[in-house]
Amino acid sequence: DAEITQSPRHKITETGRQVTLACHQTWNHNNMFWYRQDLGHGLRLIHYSYGVQDTNKGEVSDGYSVSRSNTEDLPLTLESAASSQTSVYFCASSESAGGPDEQFFGPGTRLTVL
Amino acid sequence: GQNIDQPTEMTATEGAIVQINCTYQTSGFNGLFWYQQHAGEAPTFLSYNVLDGLEEKGRFSSFLSRSKGYSYLLLKELQMKDSASYLCAVRDPGGYQKVTFGTGTKLQVIP
Repeated sequence: DAEITQSPRHKITETGRQVTLACHQTWNHNNMFWYRQDLGHGLRLIHYSYGVQDTNKGEVSDGYSVSRSNTEDLPLTLESAASSQTSVYFCASSESAGGPDEQFFGPGTRLTVL
Repeated sequence: GQNIDQPTEMTATEGAIVQINCTYQTSGFNGLFWYQQHAGEAPTFLSYNVLDGLEEKGRFSSFLSRSKGYSYLLLKELQMKDSASYLCAVRDPGGYQKVTFGTGTKLQVIP
């Protein structure tokens, strides 16, 4: 069965370190998204990609970067982790078939920056 | 940009009906989604509306009025497992796939 996975599921790191969160999908979807979810803010879009070599900034992209070298993966990198980046991170993917094209979410990564 | 409003919390009784409202102000409209998210889990897709009217899927229905910038999710015959957050999301206009999420409504179902 097709799926979308994230790793690690939990991560504790220190301020200033570089951290990379992995996202892998086997749906063969062109569209991939990274969100963070914090109490009181809901899901906020960090970066997204509509295909290989395409990346775009979302509403809260400062301090984050992504790269898309193949269809399946969209890793999210925190260049220099800050305590304000403590959050739950969700990756999602969708197709562009002209229907609902709903997003399928990974299980999430809980990141703590000390 | 998009601005989406939902109530923060609601409580309803098992077996009852509950309506969760969502209002939005957008520069264009290209579809509205409802997602369910249980505590500690990922959001999962519930429904999609792009035209005015009611879409029914078993115990769940979703309604859209584009002229009023308004949608609701109707849950019938509530069960304890329906306790979750319900997220309203609006897709960007222009054929793009990214969406903007509301902050979600946390529903508690009580016996």
